[in-house]
Amino acid sequence: DAKTTQPTSMDCAEGRAANLPCNHSTISGNEYVYWYRQIHSQGPQYIIHGLKNNETNEMASLIITEDRKSSTLILPHATLRDTAVYYCIVRVAEGNKLVFGAGTILRVKS
Amino acid sequence: AAGVIQSPRHLIKEKRETATLKCYPIPRHDTVYWYQQGPGQDPQFLISFYEKMQSDKGSIPDRFSAQQFSDYHSELNMSSLELGDSALYFCASSLAFGGGVDKAFFGQGTRLTVV
Repeated sequence: DAKTTQPTSMDCAEGRAANLPCNHSTISGNEYVYWYRQIHSQGPQYIIHGLKNNETNEMASLIITEDRKSSTLILPHATLRDTAVYYCIVRVAEGNKLVFGAGTILRVKS
Repeated sequence: AAGVIQSPRHLIKEKRETATLKCYPIPRHDTVYWYQQGPGQDPQFLISFYEKMQSDKGSIPDRFSAQQFSDYHSELNMSSLELGDSALYFCASSLAFGGGVDKAFFGQGTRLTVV
């Protein structure tokens, strides 16, 4: 699986959009970009995934660059409960393990 | 909706004892993954099973073993426990080859403390 690079930490004001970048320059054509988050000591939570196109669900939006070498997770209106470690993972879709690297600690502040 | 169930949620064992952690996947999910997360660390992949067969192996110590049963639940058996085994253990499940994109869902974990 391709390696990802994320900022160590980010701060965001409550109610504002949180934009979390991820670099995955060695991504292969059959690898998806997944985002998970882990709120303190809880099980990692699936957020969103994408292959080439931008994606949106009830939690977030995922913007993938045209060359697929980077992506951005957007939490449109961050709340204090969004404070967590966010992991960007690239992975072949079917039946493959998720490899967690060093994620981004997002702190949402009031 | 049903989620991944792990038991027990907390476990305290002494050094050199054994421990068994259980994982009940989301109904119809065919793949189970086990992860270990030490204090201040990221989750580390241990082992996975697809349709009751081991499908991948990570940094799982030889003292640990796991299996997936006919009802798809899985157990992680840990023997000769060491202080360094104290960690959160997460199980995840997914429908690996169901025709859609595979999304893994995690349980709430078992906190193992070895004293």
